[in-house]
Amino acid sequence: ETGVTQSPTHLIKTRGQQVTLRCSSQSGHNTVSWYQQALGQGPQFIFQYYREEENGRGNFPPRFSGLQFPNYSSELNVNALELDDSALYLCASSLPSGVSYNEQFFGPGTRLTVL
Amino acid sequence: QKEVEQNSGPLSVPEGAIASLNCTYSDRGSQSFFWYRQYSGKSPELIMSIYSNGDKEDGRFTAQLNKASQYVSLLIRDSQPSDSATYLCAAEGGYQKVTFGTGTKLQVIP
Repeated sequence: ETGVTQSPTHLIKTRGQQVTLRCSSQSGHNTVSWYQQALGQGPQFIFQYYREEENGRGNFPPRFSGLQFPNYSSELNVNALELDDSALYLCASSLPSGVSYNEQFFGPGTRLTVL
Repeated sequence: QKEVEQNSGPLSVPEGAIASLNCTYSDRGSQSFFWYRQYSGKSPELIMSIYSNGDKEDGRFTAQLNKASQYVSLLIRDSQPSDSATYLCAAEGGYQKVTFGTGTKLQVIP
């Protein structure tokens, strides 16, 4: 069974730039959630995708957007990067909530630094 | 207002002792609760999930849920130095949103 993978591992961008982070879900999982984790904090829910549609969103501005593809992989796009966007970005995959109670399994994360 | 509250610690216990980690949540509509372990610089790893009031045991870990008191706990028996990590409590509150606490740092002293 293949676990959740994310790319890239680390990324350095400058303020105002755009970034795309990628995630491949665990084998058999069709739901992907994205989280932002700042240093010393718990993960903050950005949004969830199911069947290529956004299926729930946290308190993040529209410059955070995403996509899910037919093979259940996903992208997180962040436009107009701000210094406060520096964080660990985590992708988690799961079966649909009604089946799995939203038990989520995390990838290794992408460490984004905005200068 | 934080929706999932945890004591940030550190909680220090001697090797072989029971570590008790606690969490409260504010959303009475939350149905599913999770404990994750996160080593420094790594991503969270799911340890336990619990949905019904009472206890759920898995090896050295026992999760406890009391929905009336809006309280979740994790007991780790026979604590080992390798258990030293930050433990994150999480609750699903509808609309697919899983809310995490800030985590409790556990130190197991050899």
